[in-house]
Amino acid sequence: DAKTTQPTSMDCAEGRAANLPCNHSTISGNEYVYWYRQIHSQGPQYIIHGLKNNETNEMASLIITEDRKSSTLILPHATLRDTAVYYCIVRGANFGNEKLTFGTGTRLTIIP
Amino acid sequence: NAGVTQTPKFRILKIGQSMTLQCTQDMNHNYMYWYRQDPGMGLKLIYYSVGAGITDKGEVPNGYNVSRSTTEDFPLRLELAAPSQTSVYFCASSSGSTSNYGYTFGSGTRLTVV
Repeated sequence: DAKTTQPTSMDCAEGRAANLPCNHSTISGNEYVYWYRQIHSQGPQYIIHGLKNNETNEMASLIITEDRKSSTLILPHATLRDTAVYYCIVRGANFGNEKLTFGTGTRLTIIP
Repeated sequence: NAGVTQTPKFRILKIGQSMTLQCTQDMNHNYMYWYRQDPGMGLKLIYYSVGAGITDKGEVPNGYNVSRSTTEDFPLRLELAAPSQTSVYFCASSSGSTSNYGYTFGSGTRLTVV
């Protein structure tokens, strides 16, 4: 699986959009970008994933650049409950690529 | 649905003791995983399984064993506990398809070896 690079930490004001970047310059054509978050000591929670097109769900939006070498997770109206560690993970779609490899992620702190 | 259930939530072991961390899922997922997370670090894969009767090593398998006799259950066995195994253990499952929601994680087991 391709490696990812994320900032160690970020702050965002409550009510503003939180934009979390991720670089995955070695991503290959059949690899998906996944985002998870981990609140305090809970198990990681799935947020969103995509291949090429931008994606949106009830939690967030995922913007993937045209060359697919980077992406941005957008939390449109951050709340205090969004304070968590956010993991950007690249995973292949083929059999044998079922494993997710977690890095250290970005610690997002929402400021009141 | 209960999702992924892990027991126990907390456990203190003495060095050299053994224990089994239980994990069960009710989503009929073929794929199951065990991760450990040390303080301030990301999750590291211990073992995984792509179906009943099939298991494989992850990044940090030493000191652990697994079995997968049913689709639902994926227990993790520690034979001779060591202080280096003090960690939070997470079990996860997935259908394996990239068109769905990825992994579902349990709430974790916090293990301390003294």
